[in-house]
Amino acid sequence: EPEVTQTPSHQVTQMGQEVILRCVPISNHLYFYWYRQILGQKVEFLVSFYNNEISEKSEIFDDQFSVERPDGSNFTLKIRSTKLEDSAMYFCASSENRASGANVLTFGAGSRLTVL
Amino acid sequence: SQQGEEDPQALSIQEGENATMNCSYKTSINNLQWYRQNSGRGLVHLILIRSNEREKHSGRLRVTLDTSKKSSSLLITASRAADTASYFCAPHFNDYKLSFGAGTTVTVRA
Repeated sequence: EPEVTQTPSHQVTQMGQEVILRCVPISNHLYFYWYRQILGQKVEFLVSFYNNEISEKSEIFDDQFSVERPDGSNFTLKIRSTKLEDSAMYFCASSENRASGANVLTFGAGSRLTVL
Repeated sequence: SQQGEEDPQALSIQEGENATMNCSYKTSINNLQWYRQNSGRGLVHLILIRSNEREKHSGRLRVTLDTSKKSSSLLITASRAADTASYFCAPHFNDYKLSFGAGTTVTVRA
């Protein structure tokens, strides 16, 4: 079954450092998302991406965050200057299309970011 | 976008018993989806029910939808240890994204 793959599975970084989390969405999917989950809390939406641009972002997704689809397969989340409170599990997700009105998301296994 | 509110927050049942959890939401929807999250893992889509459907089955899962009450329920029959997870509903209209609430944490005791 097709899956969303994320790398790295775990990254430890020092506060203030830049981090790039990578995702390979399912190949025929058109919509891409990043979510995060701070330990013990709910899964929060960060950003959605379609047709090479951000379609929606939450208030969490401030100027320290950026997303990119550098080639036909990868989708990346960059955190420019990490803070302690960025420590969380980051999930990438993709979906096929919304034409039918359904938007079923397939999630990756997550990248755990620990900021020291 | 809207998120659902799951109830109860937590549920503990014996293996073989049924587990029922509910979801309430606030505005009109096209469909409502249920997802499962095993500890520390990504969410997995379980089932989607459209606004014009009242009940749907998938294996041991049964979902109902009452659009007049803006509520849905998820029933897991004959629960197994592997069903231990958090369950989330995601009401969906026309947004790009899905939003998730706090979920129902289900623990199945052997």
